Amino acid sequence: AQSVTQLGSHVSVSEGALVLLRCNYSSSVPPYLFWYVQYPNQGLQLLLKYTSAATLVKGINGFEAEFKKSETSFHLTKPSAHMSDAAEYFCAVSFSGNTGKLIFGQGTTLQVKP
Amino acid sequence: GAGVSQTPSNKVTEKGKYVELRCDPISGHTALYWYRQSLGQGPEFLIYFQGTGAADDSGLPNDRFFAVRPEGSVSTLKIQRTERGDSAVYLCASSPAQGREQYFGPGTRLTVT
Repeated sequence: AQSVTQLGSHVSVSEGALVLLRCNYSSSVPPYLFWYVQYPNQGLQLLLKYTSAATLVKGINGFEAEFKKSETSFHLTKPSAHMSDAAEYFCAVSFSGNTGKLIFGQGTTLQVKP
Repeated sequence: GAGVSQTPSNKVTEKGKYVELRCDPISGHTALYWYRQSLGQGPEFLIYFQGTGAADDSGLPNDRFFAVRPEGSVSTLKIQRTERGDSAVYLCASSPAQGREQYFGPGTRLTVT
């Protein structure tokens, strides 16, 4: 079965520190991979997506993610955390030939300390 | 331009009542998805429309749930005989085509008392 696992339901970093949010997927076919961010009481906003082009994907707000097929991973990083990055982050996958429906991970809450 | 909108933003209803949740997708987007997000969880797929037809309704939990998109634009998610377990945030997303990135609305928070 296809699934997404986000390691760590809560991650806390200091302002200016590296942000690393982990995502692993399980699939027998090549996936499309997405990271979404959700601020309190708001909808999901697309941060970045991987759709079989370059394996290193750059997104909005300084975030990037690298697709590693051998590790079935798509970890999200940002070199320097900002207070405004505090939010819930979701990794999601979909599959070609499918309806495009997204399968989401459980989410990771990012806390940024001053 | 305008994003995906959902109404109402909050809905409180009594157990056993019928509710309708509305989604206005981005203009021109042919694909429309409904998801349900319970507290502390990631969104879970409910149903997918391509145009007017429900191409995939495999995520609907039971026959109390159904959705329509009669003109290929606005969609309504309908829940009959609501139960307390239906309490969640219902998210709608639209996409220019199947498999492309999805743009989400702010959601409708449904509370069944």
